Amino acid sequence: EAQVTQNPRYLITVTGKKLTVTCSQNMNHEYMSWYRQDPGLGLRQIYYSMNVEVTDKGDVPEGYKVSRKEKRNFPLILESPSPNQTSLYFCASSLTTGGRYGYTFGSGTRLTVV
Amino acid sequence: AQSVSQHNHHVILSEAASLELGCNYSYGGTVNLFWYVQYPGQHLQLLLKYFSGDPLVKGIKGFEAEFIKSKFSFNLRKPSVQWSDTAEYFCAVNTNFGNEKLTFGTGTRLTIIP
Repeated sequence: EAQVTQNPRYLITVTGKKLTVTCSQNMNHEYMSWYRQDPGLGLRQIYYSMNVEVTDKGDVPEGYKVSRKEKRNFPLILESPSPNQTSLYFCASSLTTGGRYGYTFGSGTRLTVV
Repeated sequence: AQSVSQHNHHVILSEAASLELGCNYSYGGTVNLFWYVQYPGQHLQLLLKYFSGDPLVKGIKGFEAEFIKSKFSFNLRKPSVQWSDTAEYFCAVNTNFGNEKLTFGTGTRLTIIP
């Protein structure tokens, strides 16, 4: 089944404790992206990757890191999480079609930083 | 930078009522447009998309949307809603061909009363 898999689904952590949220897709998509969803703000892009070893900042990159060493994986790293990073996170992937394909989303990771 | 406005934050309808959710974007060039649906506790799923041709596009589950270029709008419609349409609906736009980035609206929460 074609899908984007995120783990974990739920995570509660303490301020400053490094964490990684994994994302993997099995559709051979070139483009991958991370978004955070907050009430009243919709989805905002954190980072994206056009292909292996090619990553760039989105609209809200502060406090996050990513890497793209393999085409299928695009982990999101929070080196020192803070409470304002409490949010619902989605990984998404897409073929590179000039924006016509749209995204396939993962199931989401609900992160709480206390 | 482009932006997407969804003016209806929460819409409450009875079953069988007709639905129209507004979406306006701010960008003067060529756009690709999308509507996504997020059922409670789930990830976003593509309802429909427009990138060229007939401005009236039909999607899954009886939804349709009309692209009106002169109004910068892409409103979502359904003639007769069902209780199972209760969800949050997001409009999104792609304007940067070569970069698959989607810019999302803040979402409209739809509640259908049986």
